[in-house]
Amino acid sequence: GAVVSQHPSWVICKSGTSVKIECRSLDFQATTMFWYRQFPKQSLMLMATSNEGSKATYEQGVEKDKFLINHASLTLSTLTVTSAHPEDSSFYICSARIPGSGVDTQYFGPGTRLTVL
Amino acid sequence: AQSVTQLGSHVSVSEGALVLLRCNYSSSVPPYLFWYVQYPNQGLQLLLKYTSAATLVKGINGFEAEFKKSETSFHLTKPSAHMSDAAEYFCAVSDPGAGTASKLTFGTGTRLQVTL
Repeated sequence: GAVVSQHPSWVICKSGTSVKIECRSLDFQATTMFWYRQFPKQSLMLMATSNEGSKATYEQGVEKDKFLINHASLTLSTLTVTSAHPEDSSFYICSARIPGSGVDTQYFGPGTRLTVL
Repeated sequence: AQSVTQLGSHVSVSEGALVLLRCNYSSSVPPYLFWYVQYPNQGLQLLLKYTSAATLVKGINGFEAEFKKSETSFHLTKPSAHMSDAAEYFCAVSDPGAGTASKLTFGTGTRLQVTL
C-alpha cells in the first residue's frame, strides 16, 4: 500500500518551454501532496505543499508563477515548470500524506529528472 | 524552527560490519523523526519513524534507531552491513503539533558505501 507514482520519470526539454510533471497516489486518496527539488548530491528542498481543491502553499524563495502546482483531485497533483531554463534542471520528487493516518508520514514518488537544454 | 544535522556526508563500512549513521535534531517540541533511504535515481523509501512511542524503533531491512532526548539524537544502526545497503540515507524531522500543516525538514544526507 501507499504507492506514489510520478510521470514522466525523466524529461529533456528546450529552454523556454514548459514541462508538466504528474504525481499520483495509486492506492489511497491524498488531500496533501508535497513537491521537492533535489540537486545532485544534495538534500531535498521543499518547494510547495499542494492541497486538494485549494491553492498551493509555496516555500520562501520559490517562484509561484514559474512552478505552477495544481491539485485537482484527491489522487493527482501536477507541477508545471514554465519557461524552463537550464538552472531549472534538477530531480523533482513528490510525496503524499495519507489523511487521518495520525502520523506525519510521507510516501515518496520515484522522482522526475528534468534536463533543460 | 526545526533542523537535523547528519554528521558525516560519507560513511564506508565493510560488508558484515556495524552500520552507524548519525543524526542530531533541533526542535522546540518533541518531534517526529524519520529515516529515509534513497537509491540512485529513485525516490525516498521510509526505513523507520519515531512518533513518541517506544524510543527504540525497528525498521525495514534490519535497521533500527534509538531516540535519545538527552542527546537530541536519532542515530540509525544495523548490526551487519550488506552490499545492498549502499545508498543515500536521510534523516528528517517534523513537528507533530503542526497537524496537516506539518512539513518534513531533511538533513543533508549520508552516503553509505559498503565494501567487500
